Amino acid sequence: AQKITQTQPGMFVQEKEAVTLDCTYDTSDPSYGLFWYKQPSSGEMIFLIYQGSYDQQNATEGRYSLNFQKARKSANLVISASQLGDSAMYFCAMRLYSVNSGGYQKVTFGTGTKLQVIP
Amino acid sequence: KAGVTQTPRYLIKTRGQQVTLSCSPISGHRSVSWYQQTPGQGLQFLFEYFSETQRNKGNFPGRFSGRQFSNSRSEMNVSTLELGDSALYLCASSLEGQGNEQYFGPGTRLTVT
Repeated sequence: AQKITQTQPGMFVQEKEAVTLDCTYDTSDPSYGLFWYKQPSSGEMIFLIYQGSYDQQNATEGRYSLNFQKARKSANLVISASQLGDSAMYFCAMRLYSVNSGGYQKVTFGTGTKLQVIP
Repeated sequence: KAGVTQTPRYLIKTRGQQVTLSCSPISGHRSVSWYQQTPGQGLQFLFEYFSETQRNKGNFPGRFSGRQFSNSRSEMNVSTLELGDSALYLCASSLEGQGNEQYFGPGTRLTVT
């Protein structure tokens, strides 16, 4: 069974500082994808960044980077130069691809981290 | 390219009624997933459809059902509504292949009274 754990219910960061949001995952399948989503107070989920289990390099998308440590089963999101608009809930998610189980499996989400950026 | 659209955006129903929510995916996306989001339970997976077939299913009672049409549009239905069904229902579509990231619609806020 797959599981995503986000241990930080809430975090504060000063504007223009960098912040790391933690995510650990648990699976025995070798093929999977890891995702981060942002959910502002408006409610819409916004895709931020993706990391494949076979990717050799850490993913980056603008100010977002994913610190992927496969042996530790962690996929932390790093936001550089925080902005006030970064205040939101952040969700880590995982999707397995399992040949034995029929292909793509459901996406599992963590419980989220509420980030607040302080001016 | 237009994003994922969901209708209606807000809905108020009474216990015992049924409701149908609609989701139109991004053009070319054949996978559509549905999620229920509540403050207490977080984001919970309902089901996923791919090419008109249910590919994955979450742990929800049979009152929750869905379907997908040949144009990839999807509907979910909840029968015999309960107070606990009040939630934000999110639909997401994805393109098969590398990444497979999901793009979400704005959600339907369902209130059951």
